[in-house]
Amino acid sequence: NAGVTQTPKFQVLKTGQSMTLQCAQDMNHNSMYWYRQDPGMGLRLIYYSASEGTTDKGEVPNGYNVSRLNKREFSLRLESAAPSQTSVYFCASTDRAGAWREQYFGPGTRLTVT
Amino acid sequence: AQSVTQLDSQVPVFEEAPVELRCNYSSSVSVYLFWYVQYPNQGLQLLLKYLSGSTLVKGINGFEAEFNKSQTSFHLRKPSVHISDTAEYFCAVSRSGANNLFFGTGTRLTVIP
Repeated sequence: NAGVTQTPKFQVLKTGQSMTLQCAQDMNHNSMYWYRQDPGMGLRLIYYSASEGTTDKGEVPNGYNVSRLNKREFSLRLESAAPSQTSVYFCASTDRAGAWREQYFGPGTRLTVT
Repeated sequence: AQSVTQLDSQVPVFEEAPVELRCNYSSSVSVYLFWYVQYPNQGLQLLLKYLSGSTLVKGINGFEAEFNKSQTSFHLRKPSVHISDTAEYFCAVSRSGANNLFFGTGTRLTVIP
């Protein structure tokens, strides 16, 4: 039981390049989330998926797209990377939608955009 | 809208000493409150949460927090810290009916031998 896994662990992009961050969970959870973590700003929600087939914007969705590929997988895409997107990205999941649910986090992807 | 303020960005404390990490929130409605811990190079994990009921909440690893509605606070405490408690601690808030959490900026706890 791996929990929440994220790939890659590290990535360096040039401005304007695109990439997809992958997230998968093996806990049969319904809801999944993408956050970014920046120094001095805590975690901010980018997008979330309350259930398979649905996605919603969080606090900071601009410059990102998401796909809930199936119940297990939730990917985050940067179409044209910018230096402001340099951050650590965390994926999380909960068994059901609802803010009171415990969120289970992956180990993160450290992205640098030059 | 909800927001969370963690008043201390860094807290150094000697091993076996007590510690309090402060968290204040702002919300006009009923809230859910959480403390998450992030060990170096890892994702976050839940320490404890307040949903309703008793205002004193006990969590893992000997931590506890007290919900104070009049002071809109949810401070985290431990009576005696260990080296292994060195980590970053995040307070988070949400409200009934919402799907997302709002996190504070974090407090880095460093336990000194």
